[in-house]
Amino acid sequence: DQQVKQNSPSLSVQEGRISILNCDYTNSMFDYFLWYKKYPAEGPTFLISISSIKDKNEDGRFTVFLNKSAKHLSLHIVPSQPGDSAVYFCAASGASGTYKYIFGTGTRLKVLA
Amino acid sequence: DAGVTQSPTHLIKTRGQQVTLRCSPKSGHDTVSWYQQALGQGPQFIFQYYEEEERQRGNFPDRFSGHQFPNYSSELNVNALLLGDSALYLCASSPLANQETQYFGPGTRLLVL
Repeated sequence: DQQVKQNSPSLSVQEGRISILNCDYTNSMFDYFLWYKKYPAEGPTFLISISSIKDKNEDGRFTVFLNKSAKHLSLHIVPSQPGDSAVYFCAASGASGTYKYIFGTGTRLKVLA
Repeated sequence: DAGVTQSPTHLIKTRGQQVTLRCSPKSGHDTVSWYQQALGQGPQFIFQYYEEEERQRGNFPDRFSGHQFPNYSSELNVNALLLGDSALYLCASSPLANQETQYFGPGTRLLVL
C-alpha cells in the first residue's frame, strides 16, 4: 500500500516558467513533509519541508503548499532553471517520535532551455 | 565540513553471500537511518540507529541487521543475499536537536548476481 504517491512520473517545463510537482498521501497521522531532489549517482538532497501546522513554506525559488483536508502537497519552483532538472521525491513522517520517512516514487523534472 | 559518506560506492555479490555497507554521518549528527532504493522506486526505510541501538525498523526481514559505533558511524549487514536485494542503499543522518530533517549520503549500489 503506497502511503505517499507521486502520480506524475515525469514533467517537462520551459526555462523561466513555473514547475509544479504534486504529492498525495493517505495517512492522516503524517505531520511533517519534505521534498528532496536527486541527481544521478548522488544521494537525495534536502530542499524544503513543511510542518502540518502550516499551509505554506517558502525558500527562495521553492515554495511548498500543504492542503491537509485534501491530503495533498505541492512544490512550486519559480522560475525554473535547467539546473533544476532532477528527480524530486516527496517524503512524509508521522507523529509520536516516528522519524522514518515514507517516500513517494519520484517525479523526473526536465527544464528545457 | 564533510557530509554523509558511504563506502563502498559499488559492490557486486552473488546469491547467498553476505555484505557489509558502511556510513559516516555528517559532523554533529548522532542518528543514522538506512534506506533501500530499488530501481524506479523511492527510498524505503530499513532501520534507524541512535545511541548505538536500533530505534525503529521498517518492513525488512531479519537478514538485514545493523550496528552503530560510539563515533556514530554505522554499518548495514545483509545476510543470505537474494537477487531482489540489488538496489541503491542510502544512509541518512540527522542531529538529535532536529531529528526531522535527514541528510543523505551518495549511496552504495549493490548488485546481486
